[in-house]
Amino acid sequence: DARVTQTPRHKVTEMGQEVTMRCQPILGHNTVFWYRQTMMQGLELLAYFRNRAPLDDSGMPKDRFSAEMPDATLATLKIQPSEPRDSAVYFCASGFNPPPDTQYFGPGTRLTVL
Amino acid sequence: SQKIEQNSEALNIQEGKTATLTCNYTNYSPAYLQWYRQDPGRGPVFLLLIRENEKEKRKERLKVTFDTTLKQSLFHITASQPADSATYLCALGIRGNTGGFKTIFGAGTRLFVKA
Repeated sequence: DARVTQTPRHKVTEMGQEVTMRCQPILGHNTVFWYRQTMMQGLELLAYFRNRAPLDDSGMPKDRFSAEMPDATLATLKIQPSEPRDSAVYFCASGFNPPPDTQYFGPGTRLTVL
Repeated sequence: SQKIEQNSEALNIQEGKTATLTCNYTNYSPAYLQWYRQDPGRGPVFLLLIRENEKEKRKERLKVTFDTTLKQSLFHITASQPADSATYLCALGIRGNTGGFKTIFGAGTRLFVKA
């Protein structure tokens, strides 16, 4: 039963610290998405990749957020420095092109920045 | 401005009845529309997809309609069960500027099915 995995599942950190979230997409999927979910804003697309190349990261605050895919089995989302307003659940999802992309979501990383 | 609107209030229905959830959008031209289910503490799970040239799709007890003129999708769960209680998210597939498709999610509608 193939699944998207994310680590860590929970993270509590202090303002100003660097946070790295990791995602292992489903083997064979060639698109990876990063989302952030809060009660106020709902599910927001931060960035997405196809074949490891970034296609769109317009939803991501560029000054502090960065997303990469070092290889086909790992996607990372970094926040440096973190701020309290970054507190949210961050989801990774993977899918298979060509479109339409049916996305398979991971369990999420719950981030709390104090 | 661009918007996706789903019933902000929770929908409460009796077991066995049909639940109907609405998704309206403004100033988008989606190539397709998807419905996802999300349970508390979990990621969304894909349910159904309907393309812009399709009017209706069915899967078991689920039915989705897509009216690109009205800019609306309706999601129906027939013979609802308490296990159908969850948040249901509407998502639009929008052609991106740099290739591929972006997915824009609505805020979701919370459904409660009472036994």
